[in-house]
Amino acid sequence: EDQVTQSPEALRLQEGESSSLNCSYTVSGLRGLFWYRQDPGKGPEFLFTLYSAGEEKEKERLKATLTKKESFLHITAPKPEDSATYLCAVLKVEKLVFGKGTKLTVNP
Amino acid sequence: GAGVSQSPRYKVAKRGQDVALRCDPISGHVSLFWYQQALGQGPEFLTYFQNEAQLDKSGLPSDRFFAERPEGSVSTLKIQRTQQEDSAVYLCASSSTTMGRAQYFGPGTRLLVL
Repeated sequence: EDQVTQSPEALRLQEGESSSLNCSYTVSGLRGLFWYRQDPGKGPEFLFTLYSAGEEKEKERLKATLTKKESFLHITAPKPEDSATYLCAVLKVEKLVFGKGTKLTVNP
Repeated sequence: GAGVSQSPRYKVAKRGQDVALRCDPISGHVSLFWYQQALGQGPEFLTYFQNEAQLDKSGLPSDRFFAERPEGSVSTLKIQRTQQEDSAVYLCASSSTTMGRAQYFGPGTRLLVL
């Protein structure tokens, strides 16, 4: 069965304290791994798509990497506005299978 | 350009009522998806359209749930005889087959069944 597991469930950082979020997956024939950001009361906002092991994508303070079993979302020198829930999903046929997310809080 | 829009943003229904949730996808996007998100969980797939064809409805939880996209643009998710367990946020997403399959989400409709 295809599964996506995110860890930790919640993470508190001080402003400027870099860290990583983990997304491990079990899926046959990965066709894409997606990272989204979700703010309270809003829909998920697309961040990155990764397709093959070794691929990396960057956007501002965020960098996503992919291996054969997991993906990492690295956050460098986070700011309070980076506080949100970060969702990981894998593409199965045409639908996305999501993890439960990591709730990130960055304190000033 | 305009993103995915959904209406209403909030809906309170009495148990047993029928509800209809609307989704306006990004213009030109051929694929449209509905997801259900419970509190503290990731979105879960409900159904998928390519143009007007409903290609996958494997995630619809019961025959009380019905979705349509008759002209290949706007879609409606209908829930008949609502139950308390239907309370959730219903998210719509659209994608263009030329954009690496990224799905772009609307703000969601928060449904509360009393």
